[in-house]
Amino acid sequence: GEDVEQSLFLSVREGDSSVINCTYTDSSSTYLYWYKQEPGAGLQLLTYIFSNMDMKQDQRLTVLLNKKDKHLSLRIADTQTGDSAIYFCAESAQSGNTPLVFGKGTRLSVIA
Amino acid sequence: GAVVSQHPSWVICKSGTSVKIECRSLDFQATTMFWYRQFPKQSLMLMATSNEGSKATYEQGVEKDKFLINHASLTLSTLTVTSAHPEDSSFYICSADPAGQPSYEQFFGPGTRLTVL
Repeated sequence: GEDVEQSLFLSVREGDSSVINCTYTDSSSTYLYWYKQEPGAGLQLLTYIFSNMDMKQDQRLTVLLNKKDKHLSLRIADTQTGDSAIYFCAESAQSGNTPLVFGKGTRLSVIA
Repeated sequence: GAVVSQHPSWVICKSGTSVKIECRSLDFQATTMFWYRQFPKQSLMLMATSNEGSKATYEQGVEKDKFLINHASLTLSTLTVTSAHPEDSSFYICSADPAGQPSYEQFFGPGTRLTVL
């Protein structure tokens, strides 16, 4: 079945950039997502990218997609302490009526 | 934006009792809702796909008689954990897919934390 892999931990200093990486196995992935989860809370969609795109930028967030290598990354510029959370990479094969396959999540710790 | 609510947000129950968790789409209709389970410090695992007006589709390893899903309307799906045991303690999250239109986004509820004593 589909698999999504992420590194489990990342620690950065406040003001630096954070890069969270993700790899996936399903070559038919159509949509790739980044979700943020704060302690005890639900999921917040941060951004998404279609598989026919290479890059997407949204304010401090930059998503890079290498479809050939099935590699997705999320860069957070000027990381703040409020960015400390768990970040989940997820993919789905098609739009609508399809569940997401999640990675295990990367715990980002921002050091002041 | 579209809002999905879950009720209750947390529940503590005794072993052997049943617990019902509701997932509602507040401002849109959802023919399909998904139920996920998240263990501490782990990822979300899909439990089942809930389709309005039909039986739910369960993932391999998920006991359908233990986790009863009912999707009685286009805005409500319920998950009932029957005869709960401590190993059922987890964070349960639902998501809803807007009906009738292709959508890149599923909308997630805030989750329900179940603790079984």
